[in-house]
Amino acid sequence: GEDVEQSLFLSVREGDSSVINCTYTDSSSTYLYWYKQEPGAGLQLLTYIFSNMDMKQDQRLTVLLNKKDKHLSLRIADTQTGDSAIYFCAGGTALIFGKGTTLSVSS
Amino acid sequence: NAGVTQTPKFQVLKTGQSMTLQCAQDMNHNSMYWYRQDPGMGLRLIYYSASEGTTDKGEVPNGYNVSRLNKREFSLRLESAAPSQTSVYFCASSEDRHPYEQYFGPGTRLTVT
Repeated sequence: GEDVEQSLFLSVREGDSSVINCTYTDSSSTYLYWYKQEPGAGLQLLTYIFSNMDMKQDQRLTVLLNKKDKHLSLRIADTQTGDSAIYFCAGGTALIFGKGTTLSVSS
Repeated sequence: NAGVTQTPKFQVLKTGQSMTLQCAQDMNHNSMYWYRQDPGMGLRLIYYSASEGTTDKGEVPNGYNVSRLNKREFSLRLESAAPSQTSVYFCASSEDRHPYEQYFGPGTRLTVT
C-alpha cells in the first residue's frame, strides 16, 4: 500500500539550516504537503508543492521534490527556537501522513 | 471563523464505557476526517466523510463508528472503549479543490483505563 517515511528526530542549533527528508511510494500524488504540529495543538499546513515542480521557495522554507527518487525535503533557513515542532510529510491519493520528524532547536 | 472545533479536550474512560467525540467546522467544507495520533505511529485515518450522508473506513476503523450529522458536524463514537484506544484524536476538514488543504481541530486526549 501507499507509504510515507521520514526520520523521527532532528536536532539543530539556532541560526543553522534544518533539512527534513521524506520518501513516498505513491507517485500519483498531485500535491505533496508539509504540515507542522506545535506542542498540544493540531496540525497546520506549512507549505505544499505541485507534483510537476522541482522546487518551491516560501520565505525561509524551501521544498525540493525529486520525483524520480520519490524524495521530498523541507529546508528551513535560519532556524529559530519557535520552529521547534513536529513536521509531517503527506501525500498520496488518500493523503497518507508520515510518522513525523521532531525538530529540536537549541539556542 | 472558529475553524474546526472538538469537544471534549480531555476524557478518561474505564474499559467498556462508551462515549462520543464531537467535531464541527464552519468553513463549509464537504470533506471531514477523524485521525488518531499515537507516539511513533504518526497520524492514522480512522474514518472520513466526503459529503453529508456518506462515510468511509480509513486505515484503523475497528472499534469506532461515525456519524455525519450534517455538513458541519462529524462525530466519532467508541461503543466499548479499550485501553488500546488511548490516544489523541484529531478531527479535520478539507477544501474540495486543490490543494485540498486539511484544517485540523485542537484534538481530544483520551485515556482508557
